[in-house]
Amino acid sequence: DIQMTQSPSFLSASVGDRVTINCKASQNINKYLDWYQQKHGEAPKLLIYNTNNLQTGIPSRFSGSGSGTDYTLTISSLQPEDVATYFCLQHSSRWTFGGGTKLELK
Amino acid sequence: EVQLVESGGGLVQPGRSLKLSCAASGFTFSNYGMAWVCQAPTKGLEWVASISTGGGNTYYRDSVKGRFTISRDNAKNTLYLQMDSLRSEDTATYYCARHGGTVFDYWGQGVMVTVSS
Repeated sequence: DIQMTQSPSFLSASVGDRVTINCKASQNINKYLDWYQQKHGEAPKLLIYNTNNLQTGIPSRFSGSGSGTDYTLTISSLQPEDVATYFCLQHSSRWTFGGGTKLELK
Repeated sequence: EVQLVESGGGLVQPGRSLKLSCAASGFTFSNYGMAWVCQAPTKGLEWVASISTGGGNTYYRDSVKGRFTISRDNAKNTLYLQMDSLRSEDTATYYCARHGGTVFDYWGQGVMVTVSS
């Protein structure tokens, strides 16, 4: 089974900051990597699919990059409404989520 | 608008059974694979099971294989998860999700399952 290691598990940043969240796969996942946002008490929402494709309706301040085993979610300018937990998901072989990153405002 | 609404959760004793349902609307249900994903309290997300468009292919995580059964009724636009031999570690919120390709592109609000004596 493919394991996903997400970092950091907790992140505190200020409005306007550039924020990056990382996921590392235990083997090459060929860019089959998605990012989800989950606000408190809500269902997860798809932000980015297949590494760098922005889901319809998602603000352009969100972007993704990576290849092989290493992937990154970037928020270019943090907004208050971005406070949430973020998860990565690999779907190269079955489906495995990262452990999550809780993002809070400083 | 795509909508997925789960039901059937609750409190159940270890070893007993529970059946979850997910009513789908706003899209052609029979054209999409579907999945269940769970989230234990204060924990991360875990994929549980997936089913193909016609129901002929099903996939399970190892920890539920032989205990859970995913199924669908395309005439009723409904996805199911039959959960047997429940364990305390199955306690979680269970989400129904649509497969857009292999991506989970839409999710329901979730239903809580608590396994406890």
